[in-house]
Amino acid sequence: GQQVMQIPQYQHVQEGEDFTTYCNSSTTLSNIQWYKQRPGGHPVFLIQLVKSGEVKKQKRLTFQFGEAKKNSSLHITATQTTDVGTYFCAGQYGKLTFGQGTILTVHP
Amino acid sequence: EAGVAQSPRYKIIEKRQSVAFWCNPISGHATLYWYQQILGQGPKLLIQFQNNGVVDDSQLPKDRFSAERLKGVDSTLKIQPAKLEDSAVYLCASSLERGSYTFGSGTRLTVV
Repeated sequence: GQQVMQIPQYQHVQEGEDFTTYCNSSTTLSNIQWYKQRPGGHPVFLIQLVKSGEVKKQKRLTFQFGEAKKNSSLHITATQTTDVGTYFCAGQYGKLTFGQGTILTVHP
Repeated sequence: EAGVAQSPRYKIIEKRQSVAFWCNPISGHATLYWYQQILGQGPKLLIQFQNNGVVDDSQLPKDRFSAERLKGVDSTLKIQPAKLEDSAVYLCASSLERGSYTFGSGTRLTVV
């Protein structure tokens, strides 16, 4: 079945440092979505990428979808303490399959 | 718009007991999902409904889990009998076709 792998599992950064999480799918995806889950909360939708090679930005967050539509990344520039949480990618091929997430902690 | 409503927020039961969770999706969202999220893992799809029909229940442990979505609106997920390994957060989500998912706050189940 479809698998979505996400690395790293954990990332600890100092406030102001950059952060990147990577996502790889075993199958070509129709789209990929990114979610953020705060500690104790539920996943909240961030963005959806559909086109091969697509790049989208939301303030300090940059999302990329690979040319083969099998990988994606999320990059946060100059992290802030409000960025803490778990970032999930979710690949869609029929159903939406979530990666295991990257837990980001930001030290002030 | 109102979000996805779930209840209860927390539930503690003993193993072999039964439990039920309820979800009311966003109005107009035809697709409803139940996910299981074990601590430290990503959400895993249990069942997907399109209106009141099941689209995908391939990962639903059908010997103990059941779900229904009568009238194509709200839904219930039941576990009977519960096992220790069922301890998790049960998330309900809804979406328009091919759109983003909106999750409810979830039900945290602890089986002791």
